[in-house]
Amino acid sequence: GAVVSQHPSRVICKSGTSVKIECRSLDFQATTMFWYRQFPKQSLMLMATSNEGSKATYEQGVEKDKFLINHASLTLSTLTVTSAHPEDSSFYICSASPPGAREQFFGPGTRLTVL
Amino acid sequence: QKEVEQNSGPLSVPEGAIASLNCTYSDRGSQSFFWYRQYSGKSPELIMSIYSNGDKEDGRFTAQLNKASQYVSLLIRDSQPSDSATYLCAVNRSGGSYIPTFGRGTSLIVHP
Repeated sequence: GAVVSQHPSRVICKSGTSVKIECRSLDFQATTMFWYRQFPKQSLMLMATSNEGSKATYEQGVEKDKFLINHASLTLSTLTVTSAHPEDSSFYICSASPPGAREQFFGPGTRLTVL
Repeated sequence: QKEVEQNSGPLSVPEGAIASLNCTYSDRGSQSFFWYRQYSGKSPELIMSIYSNGDKEDGRFTAQLNKASQYVSLLIRDSQPSDSATYLCAVNRSGGSYIPTFGRGTSLIVHP
């Protein structure tokens, strides 16, 4: 199967700081990647669709100025949580799909804790 | 808002039994359906995909799809304790989209 990596796997930061999370497709090129957030015992919630070379598409209710997405290459998308607050503490997961595939392959996730 | 509904469980089955997980969806135009397994603290892992009505088997797993009833299920035969996890049903949005909508997941516990 396709391999997607994320970095870092875990981050703890102080309230008010910004955190960048990287998502990479290791063995395929991805024009589109997806960012999800998952709170404990909740389902995956799609935050935004990251589009290579163009602006991300955000889901309703997701603040685009707070969650900055950059998809600068066909193998890398980054999510920056700006001015993080404790309520942003969550499990952030990215996914991507090889060309022609319908299923998503997920990165291992990033556990964000904001103190 | 298109919905994907799953019973949150937990579903508890003895080792060796068949576990049956169910999912309903509201988007009639959806064409792609998936089951993911998620262990606690980990990201989802794809188990099965199904696109046509009927059954699809892969090892101990069988996915069943009924588009008329907007229903998809996953059967796990000879359940093992290692199958204990949360199983997420995902349905791609209609119109040929590759964007999935996830259910809340069903927690499965396989006890020895």
